[in-house]
Amino acid sequence: TQLLEQSPQFLSIQEGENLTVYCNSSSVFSSLQWYRQEPGEGPVLLVTVVTGGEVKKLKRLTFQFGDARKDSSLHITAAQPGDTGLYLCAVRSGTYKYIFGTGTRLKVLA
Amino acid sequence: ETGVTQSPTHLIKTRGQQVTLRCSSQSGHNTVSWYQQALGQGPQFIFQYYREEENGRGNFPPRFSGLQFPNYSSELNVNALELDDSALYLCASSLDFRGVDTQYFGPGTRLTVL
Repeated sequence: TQLLEQSPQFLSIQEGENLTVYCNSSSVFSSLQWYRQEPGEGPVLLVTVVTGGEVKKLKRLTFQFGDARKDSSLHITAAQPGDTGLYLCAVRSGTYKYIFGTGTRLKVLA
Repeated sequence: ETGVTQSPTHLIKTRGQQVTLRCSSQSGHNTVSWYQQALGQGPQFIFQYYREEENGRGNFPPRFSGLQFPNYSSELNVNALELDDSALYLCASSLDFRGVDTQYFGPGTRLTVL
């Protein structure tokens, strides 16, 4: 059983469209991170959310942490080909271990 | 400031062989974590080193072992390779594991076991 379930698994959209991807769990977390991983690269941290209901914006990306701190969403407005990549959510388990979700693979077509 | 680097980029081995992967952490970072990322999956935590000591371990067998050196660079060793060990191996360094700290990932080593 995956601690973090991400949906959808795959998403292919046209440039300019909006999209939302989700990260869900039955557990409560003190914080949650979102990463983007491009082919041939390691994941790069986009944002950390720590407060239930928190909304953070990074240019065209909007991140929300659920009120109960069990889930999170990432919304991209007017997607561009440069947004293509694998989007991963992750939580810290204990003092040293990070657990990653299964990922959403996004392809934005020009 | 140099980022996290890993070597080699790609590696092909056969079942039963042993492999050593290397990671140079970002300058000033004393914590290194290793992850295995199978195709189509998120990274899975293997173990973490802090100041040359193993700090914690995920659900991986003892044939996965590691080292961290005084300059905080690190090695991942895998003995008795199995086909399922084929994956992208990522290392990530952070300033200090004790805080809520950013992990900086290297580009990974792609291991193929035939």
